[in-house]
This record gives sequence, structure tokens and C-alpha cells, in this order.
Amino acid sequence: GAVVSQHPSRVICKSGTSVKIECRSLDFQATTMFWYRQFPKQSLMLMATSNEGSKATYEQGVEKDKFLINHASLTLSTLTVTSAHPEDSSFYICSAGTSGDETQYFGPGTRLLVL
Amino acid sequence: GQQLNQSPQSMFIQEGEDVSMNCTSSSIFNTWLWYKQDPGEGPVLLIALYKAGELTSNGRLTAQFGITRKDSFLNISASIPSDVGIYFCAGPAAAGNKLTFGGGTRVLVKP
Repeated sequence: GAVVSQHPSRVICKSGTSVKIECRSLDFQATTMFWYRQFPKQSLMLMATSNEGSKATYEQGVEKDKFLINHASLTLSTLTVTSAHPEDSSFYICSAGTSGDETQYFGPGTRLLVL
Repeated sequence: GQQLNQSPQSMFIQEGEDVSMNCTSSSIFNTWLWYKQDPGEGPVLLIALYKAGELTSNGRLTAQFGITRKDSFLNISASIPSDVGIYFCAGPAAAGNKLTFGGGTRVLVKP
């Protein structure tokens, strides 16, 4: 149980384009989903927290207009990187959890490369 | 804010060895989580600890929730090559259901 998928697993795009990453909880309903970013040889950095049906809460320094998050259902959250630039190239990982349980289950990650 | 300090930052293992890593905090945590991340993958939950003093095993892995609630350790017994990866400890942040992560312990194989 507690399987989380992400799609795509890797994406290469041109600078200035937008990229959408999907995160799905496959066998449970996730009241909360989290989006992280990870640079090489570093720990995970939380970008934002999203609760189903409400606006995402962004961490300090994360531009909400650049990283659009939608959590339309209890099994799907999307992260859209708008007008991507090379410095947005990173490994993006989502996780999902349920209310009352602090455990988060992670997706396999999406490697984004912006040329 | 809350911080989790993991040590060692990296270690080399030889097949068959037992290895140990730990995680400490200056503040109290009510839950400790241990994750393993393989290259190019997302973290996978290994063990979750919910009570001070709790000792929990998952196969060759054993983790303990420190009695002071400010530390936890993870042991791997009889290591094998696939134990290579990065191990993260994590605990709920002071506010909300966010997690605070340690910096990770990178486990490598001795050449």
C-alpha cells in the first residue's frame, strides 16, 4: 500500500516553456500533498504544501506564480513550472499523506532539464 | 527552526558489516521517520517510530526512538551491496504536517 506515482519521470524542455508534473496517490486518498526540490548531493527542500480543494502554501522564497500547484482531487496534485529557465533544472519529488498521520509517502521523482 | 543533524555524512561499507547512523535534534520530536533514497529515485520509507524508547525492526534494519525524544539511530546488519544509497531521518516540523529532514547519510561500498 501507500504507492505514489509521478509523471513524467524525466522531461527536457526549452527555456521559456512550461512543464506540468503530475503526482498521484494510487491506493489511498491523500488529504495533503507536498512538493520538494532536490539538487545534487543535497537533502530535500520543501517547496509547497497543498491540501485538496484549497490553495497551496508555499515556503519562503518559492515563487507561487512560477510554480503553480493544483490539488483538484484526493489522488492528484500537479506542479506546473511556468516559463522554465535553466536554473529550474532539478529533481522534483512529490509526497502524499493523510490527515492525522505524519508519515509521507514519496513519488519516484521527476528529473527536469531546461535547455 | 527545528533542525535534524545526521551523522556520519557518509560512510563506506564492506559486505557483511554492520553499520550505524544517527540523527539528533535540539528540540523534541514525537515521530521519527527513516527513509532511503536510491540514485534518481524518490525516498522510500524504511521505518516509522512513534513512541520514545521504541525499537523497531524491518528485516536487517533496526531503528530506535531515543528516550529523550531528541535522537534516533538506524542500524543495518550484515550489509549487502544494495544497501548503498542515501539514508534520511525526518520528523514533523513544529507547525503543521510538514517534515523536517536531516542532511542524509550517504552509504557507499568500499572499493
